[in-house]
Amino acid sequence: AQKVTQAQTEISVVEKEDVTLDCVYETRDTTYYLFWYKQPPSGELVFLIRRNSFDEQNEISGRYSWNFQKSTSSFNFTITASQVVDSAVYFCALSEHGSGNTGKLIFGQGTTLQVKP
Amino acid sequence: DGGITQSPKYLFRKEGQNVTLSCEQNLNHDAMYWYRQDPGQGLRLIYYSQIVNDFQKGDIAEGYSVSREKKESFPLTVTSAQKNPTAFYLCASSFGVLPTDTQYFGPGTRLTVL
Repeated sequence: AQKVTQAQTEISVVEKEDVTLDCVYETRDTTYYLFWYKQPPSGELVFLIRRNSFDEQNEISGRYSWNFQKSTSSFNFTITASQVVDSAVYFCALSEHGSGNTGKLIFGQGTTLQVKP
Repeated sequence: DGGITQSPKYLFRKEGQNVTLSCEQNLNHDAMYWYRQDPGQGLRLIYYSQIVNDFQKGDIAEGYSVSREKKESFPLTVTSAQKNPTAFYLCASSFGVLPTDTQYFGPGTRLTVL
């Protein structure tokens, strides 16, 4: 069965520290897509990245980077030199090719990141 | 500016009342979705719609109803049959319902049953 696990419920760091948010997924599909979303205190989910299962290259976008490893079924997210504005809940999500045309996203429980000044 | 709007931001309801949450998008997306978020949990899919006049149940549709009369609008009604309706409700839209179609979210409505 498909599942997304974010084992870290809450993380607290001091500004300028690097922090990694873990995401482990389960799927029987060979074609699937992984997403990260950020939910700031305002509540809206903000799309950060989408990665397909055939592309294991790591991605970097400014202070954000993502490490996708199929061997360990993980899609971890690292923030370098964290800032107070990074404080939010971060969600990892999975969609499967085999789910048909439903657009169904399976979300992890989310990790609350607090960055202290 | 293109985006998704939800109203109201906060909603209070007495037990036994139906309430309707609004969701409007001007992104020209065909697909729209409703999710429910409870504290400390991920999002769960309530309903989704691929196209006007068509919608499908998600994982937790009981006690909810939707309509899709216009491409831009996908209102959600929380009925009195929903046993535990207090939650944060998020609307999303995407170009289509393929696994590759990224979903974009609105600001949410926080519903509290008194």
